[in-house]
Amino acid sequence: EDKVVQSPLSLVVHEGDTVTLNCSYEVTNFRSLLWYKQEKKAPTFLFMLTSSGIEKKSGRLSSILDKKELFSILNITATQTGDSAVYLCAVESRDDKIIFGKGTRLHILP
Amino acid sequence: DGGITQSPKYLFRKEGQNVTLSCEQNLNHDAMYWYRQDPGQGLRLIYYSQIVNDFQKGDIAEGYSVSREKKESFPLTVTSAQKNPTAFYLCASRDQAGGSYEQYFGPGTRLTVT
Repeated sequence: EDKVVQSPLSLVVHEGDTVTLNCSYEVTNFRSLLWYKQEKKAPTFLFMLTSSGIEKKSGRLSSILDKKELFSILNITATQTGDSAVYLCAVESRDDKIIFGKGTRLHILP
Repeated sequence: DGGITQSPKYLFRKEGQNVTLSCEQNLNHDAMYWYRQDPGQGLRLIYYSQIVNDFQKGDIAEGYSVSREKKESFPLTVTSAQKNPTAFYLCASRDQAGGSYEQYFGPGTRLTVT
């Protein structure tokens, strides 16, 4: 059975800290791994990763994929209170099925 | 403006009634998806459709039905057979041919069944 496991499930840090969110997966016919940020309603897209070892970066956020060990990490440096959200990892298989993890709830204390 | 719309935003129903959630997109996307979100559960895939007149079950399809008669529309019916229908429902679409694989989400419908 395909599955995506995120850890930790929740995390509380102080503003300015750096956080690392983890996503491991077991998916048949992997095509891509996606990261989303969900604040109130619908998730917003952050990154799509398809190749191992190539870091994707956007401002203070970065992500990398390891297809051999079947995991990805999402790093956020110099965290701000606006980074507080649920971060979702999803994996897509070649038959277009997309499976989400349970998410990591990140809370940044001022 | 291009995007995905879901209606209504909030929906209340009595137990035993079927209810249909609307999802419409004008992005010309081929693929559409329905997810259910419960607290602490992330998003769970109910059904998805890669092309008109075709759809596949996701991980939790029992008690739900869908149709894809038009490219723009992918309505989800929550039937009385669904044991725990109260949840937040999200619809998404994706451009298969574009190569970006990014899903675009609608604003969601919060269904409460009492």
